[in-house]
Amino acid sequence: GAGVSQSPSNKVTEKGKDVELRCDPISGHTALYWYRQSLGQGLEFLIYFQGNSAPDKSGLPSDRFSAERTGGSVSTLTIQRTQQEDSAVYLCASSSTAYGYTFGSGTRLTVV
Amino acid sequence: QQQVKQSPQSLIVQKGGISIINCAYENTAFDYFPWYQQFPGKGPALLIAIRPDVSEKKEGRFTISFNKSAKQFSLHIMDSQPGDSATYFCAAVSGNTPLVFGKGTRLSVIA
Repeated sequence: GAGVSQSPSNKVTEKGKDVELRCDPISGHTALYWYRQSLGQGLEFLIYFQGNSAPDKSGLPSDRFSAERTGGSVSTLTIQRTQQEDSAVYLCASSSTAYGYTFGSGTRLTVV
Repeated sequence: QQQVKQSPQSLIVQKGGISIINCAYENTAFDYFPWYQQFPGKGPALLIAIRPDVSEKKEGRFTISFNKSAKQFSLHIMDSQPGDSATYFCAAVSGNTPLVFGKGTRLSVIA
């Protein structure tokens, strides 16, 4: 497709379970970003992949969060042992330059 | 540390009026300042952006004003319409670092 695709669009999980969120970036975009959007908190940077370089993980809030990007394309964000404070919308963006981000519609995660 | 401060948190404007959203930053290394528009259930979409070598950029009804010495920039929406009702985010970036976003402004344009 022409845009950034994220799946699932909604996820409800029980506290303590692991979840995987998927991002399909725009073909050819070398950079991929994960952000978290909580109510009233803006967009919080989580992790950034650029080509074959080591990812910038400086925004990950705890070691329960991890992400990988396979073949320079699809990325998966994994949250282990989910907590209620992990409830948020997780947004993925990709870009071909340092500036032109295209965001997906996000995954709304609810931890009950 | 919040690198980009955005205000107001929410804004109500009459149809046809001017909407103004302000942002301030501290990091003088920032070299690109975009504004994003987000509708409910959608991801943010780039609206307009400016570099610090110009003081103003206009695209249709949307204008960014940039004050480098004050480290402030603002978004002006002229002739605001109900379809402009959305959440607006300012952001800033330096080189290959990730975009830093403000906390957002929820704009409601009422008839």
